[in-house]
Amino acid sequence: QVQLVQSGAEVKQPGASVKVSCKASGYIFSSIGVSWVRQAPGQGLEWVGWVSPSGESTNYAQKVQDRVVMTTDTSTTTIYMELRSLRSDDTAVYYCVRDNWNSFEHWGQGTLVTVS
Amino acid sequence: QSALTQPPSASGSPGQSVTISCTGTSSDVGSYKYVSWYQQHRGKAPKLLIYEGNKRFSGVPDRFSASKSGNTASLTVSGLQAEDEADYYCSSYTGSKYDIVFGGGTKLTVL
Repeated sequence: QVQLVQSGAEVKQPGASVKVSCKASGYIFSSIGVSWVRQAPGQGLEWVGWVSPSGESTNYAQKVQDRVVMTTDTSTTTIYMELRSLRSDDTAVYYCVRDNWNSFEHWGQGTLVTVS
Repeated sequence: QSALTQPPSASGSPGQSVTISCTGTSSDVGSYKYVSWYQQHRGKAPKLLIYEGNKRFSGVPDRFSASKSGNTASLTVSGLQAEDEADYYCSSYTGSKYDIVFGGGTKLTVL
């Protein structure tokens, strides 16, 4: 079965960077890209960006495009999201999701990133 | 403020039907078939219910159905059950460099 297993919670100071990993399994990794979606405490969902399986193509939300980098490691079927220059409003649960033509079919368990 | 507009709350009694709306614009909901609906129980990751406007994802009961008219998409939950109490989110492709936008979410209460 499809599984997306994310790295653990992080606490960072403002201005720092965080790198969240997402280990994919149970499907052909090269066939479908991955998006990242975040959810601030008590708030709704926000799309952060998308990365192709090879990592060669990316697309980022305007709000974070200057501060986010998404990469992949095909040898370990792991996807990474690095967010730089962290601000308090980046505090959120970050989910990696298998993105099948704009439908988020499978979700990781989420990684809480706290900026404080 | 979210790009897509959903009512903040909805409610119904067990066995009843409830419909949740999701209003966008001609640049998103009105132009593309890529409207999805997600269910999120408290403290859990969201789950895909509906994709491409009206297609149920694998394993989703047929009590969940969806449609679209113009710039507004709708999710209907029939035969309400206690387990349907959750937050529901819509999303749409915007055609703008592959951007996806979400609604603000609707909290469904089963009375």
